[in-house]
Amino acid sequence: EVQLVESGGGLVQPGGSLRLSCATSGFTFSENYMTWVRQAPGKGLEWVANIEADGSQKGYADSVKGRFTISRDNAKNSLYLQMNSLRAEDTAVYYCARDWWYSERYPTLDAWGQGTVVTV
Amino acid sequence: EIVLTQSPGTLSLSPGERATLSCRASQSVASSYLAWYQQKPGRALRLLIYGASNRAAGIPDRFSGSGSGADFTLTITRLEPEDFAVYYCQLYNRSPPWTFGLGTKVEIK
Repeated sequence: EVQLVESGGGLVQPGGSLRLSCATSGFTFSENYMTWVRQAPGKGLEWVANIEADGSQKGYADSVKGRFTISRDNAKNSLYLQMNSLRAEDTAVYYCARDWWYSERYPTLDAWGQGTVVTV
Repeated sequence: EIVLTQSPGTLSLSPGERATLSCRASQSVASSYLAWYQQKPGRALRLLIYGASNRAAGIPDRFSGSGSGADFTLTITRLEPEDFAVYYCQLYNRSPPWTFGLGTKVEIK
């Protein structure tokens, strides 16, 4: 069974830092792109960042570029999000998700964690 | 950036009724890149439909997706109590790679 479990959320002052983790199991982590998505209170879903399977390529939303860093440790089957210079508008539930292409044609985020709450 | 507009914002229906949810893109998109998700409080998001019309593994056949171009629809033929939730459409694109609609809440009437 594919499992993703986020941790590391909490209450932080504006300008502070936090590091989120996503522990995964049930699949070959090193073969998958991974993604962070967030959801502000009462709002919709917003893509935050993603990272290629080997960690060589990373992408960021404009709203977090230069402040957040996505990384991964394939030996530990874990994904991370280092968040610096946090702002009130970064308050959200942060989800990690697995990128999966069905039949190599249909891209999805097919597995999600339950999220970790960040309050700035 | 392509924008996904979901309507209605809230759908009030009774168990057993049919739910029709709309997702409109700001321009024509590849249907193979359109997916639908279900979100319940405190639960992980659940992939329902990929490629606009393909049910993900384990998804009951009362859920179906359709559409092409810029207009897509998620239909739940007979609402079960566990189907009351928020539903999001999602598009894969070049940049940003993942775009979501604002969601449709299906609530019990």
